[in-house]
Amino acid sequence: KNEVEQSPQNLTAQEGEFITINCSYSVGISALHWLQQHPGGGIVSLFMLSSGKKKHGRLIATINIQEKHSSLHITASHPRDSAVYICAPRGGGATNKLIFGTGTLLAVQP
Amino acid sequence: SQTIHQWPATLVQPVGSPLSLECTVEGTSNPNLYWYRQAAGRGLQLLFYSVGIGQISSEVPQNLSASRPQDRQFILSSKKLLLSDSGFYLCAWSGGEGGSYNEQFFGPGTRLTVL
Repeated sequence: KNEVEQSPQNLTAQEGEFITINCSYSVGISALHWLQQHPGGGIVSLFMLSSGKKKHGRLIATINIQEKHSSLHITASHPRDSAVYICAPRGGGATNKLIFGTGTLLAVQP
Repeated sequence: SQTIHQWPATLVQPVGSPLSLECTVEGTSNPNLYWYRQAAGRGLQLLFYSVGIGQISSEVPQNLSASRPQDRQFILSSKKLLLSDSGFYLCAWSGGEGGSYNEQFFGPGTRLTVL
């Protein structure tokens, strides 16, 4: 069993839909990152969470440390949101190593 | 502000040839540095990380090696490439005097194809 599980693996949505991507992990963590990878490969960090909820524009990320679960929500989705979204819990210690989920490929159709 | 550079952006190499990918960070000092690989259709995998000059930790056994000859320079190398080394290689940094250890910032990546 992978240490980080994301669902769904693939998601197709219509423009304007509310989208949820889920992440479950089995290891102890100090924080969790949500990353966005564009078709060209570049990666952008969207959120870093250690508790509760964060909002940035149309993106909302939540985490429940006790349940080892995090969600990424996109409100009013747009075709430019199409990308791979990666959940990456971070272990403790000085190295700040990330453990990556396999990603969710999101395609938002106009 | 901090920036991270990787080169080359794309590379096509024959099997058995050597490899050298370079990553440099500007605007911070003493950062943690990371090399990741993303094989086709697979998730990101941490290959190496470094917490200081000359300090390299390997996460997985492989055909690759890493070096950190200067504080803000991280190099990924191979003496003889294998077909399985093909993939998208990302360098990242965190912490140091110019950044936060809570975040990781990724370079633009190098797409390597071994033929």
